[in-house]
Amino acid sequence: AQKVTQAQTEISVVEKEDVTLDCVYETRDTTYYLFWYKQPPSGELVFLIRRNSFDEQNEISGRYSWNFQKSTSSFNFTITASQVVDSAVYFCALFSGTYKYIFGTGTRLKVLA
Amino acid sequence: EAQVTQNPRYLITVTGKKLTVTCSQNMNHEYMSWYRQDPGLGLRQIYYSMNVEVTDKGDVPEGYKVSRKEKRNFPLILESPSPNQTSLYFCASRDGTGIYGYTFGSGTRLTVV
Repeated sequence: AQKVTQAQTEISVVEKEDVTLDCVYETRDTTYYLFWYKQPPSGELVFLIRRNSFDEQNEISGRYSWNFQKSTSSFNFTITASQVVDSAVYFCALFSGTYKYIFGTGTRLKVLA
Repeated sequence: EAQVTQNPRYLITVTGKKLTVTCSQNMNHEYMSWYRQDPGLGLRQIYYSMNVEVTDKGDVPEGYKVSRKEKRNFPLILESPSPNQTSLYFCASRDGTGIYGYTFGSGTRLTVV
C-alpha cells in the first residue's frame, strides 16, 4: 500500500528560526516521485519541488532545502530563517506509475513575527 | 501562462440546488482530477479523467458527477448538494506520465446551507 505521513499537524515558530517539516512515505515501487506543495492563506496550491526515487541528492533553493533519504523513507523540508510569508499549509505527495497521487494530510506552519 | 482556471472561487448555495464548478486547462494535459480538501483529511480525490470521454471514480465520488467532452474542460457537477459537501475543491491537471506533478486551480470554497 502507498502512504504518506505528515505527523506534524501544526508547527509554530518565531520569525528567523529554522523549521523542518517531516514527510515519511511508504511504497513498494522502486520508481516513484515525491513532491512538496505549499498552500498559503489565499488557498491555492503551489508546487515547490519534485524528486524522483533515483536521485537522493539534497536540494537547496534559497532558504528552502529538502532532504531525501531512501533508507528512512523520508523527504523532509527545511526552511532556514523562517519569515511570516512562509506561514502556510505544506503538503507532501507521492506518485508512482502504478498508482495515483497520495497526499499527506498537511502540516500547518505558523511563523510569528 | 500555463494554468488551470476554476470557477467560481466562492459559492454559497442551498441544499438540493444543482450546481456546476467549471475547470479548464491550457496545457493540453491528458489527465485531470477533482479533489476536495477538508480539515485533518488532506486532499481526497473525487473523480479523475485520463482523457476525453474517460472518467473514473476516486476515493470519495458519492454525490458528484463529472464529464470530459473536451480535453481542456472537466466540470464538477453536484446534482443535489448537501451540507456535508461543504468543502474546498480543487481541479488539477497533469500530463500522462504524472512525473512532473499536478498544476492546481485556485480552488472553489463551497458552502451548502
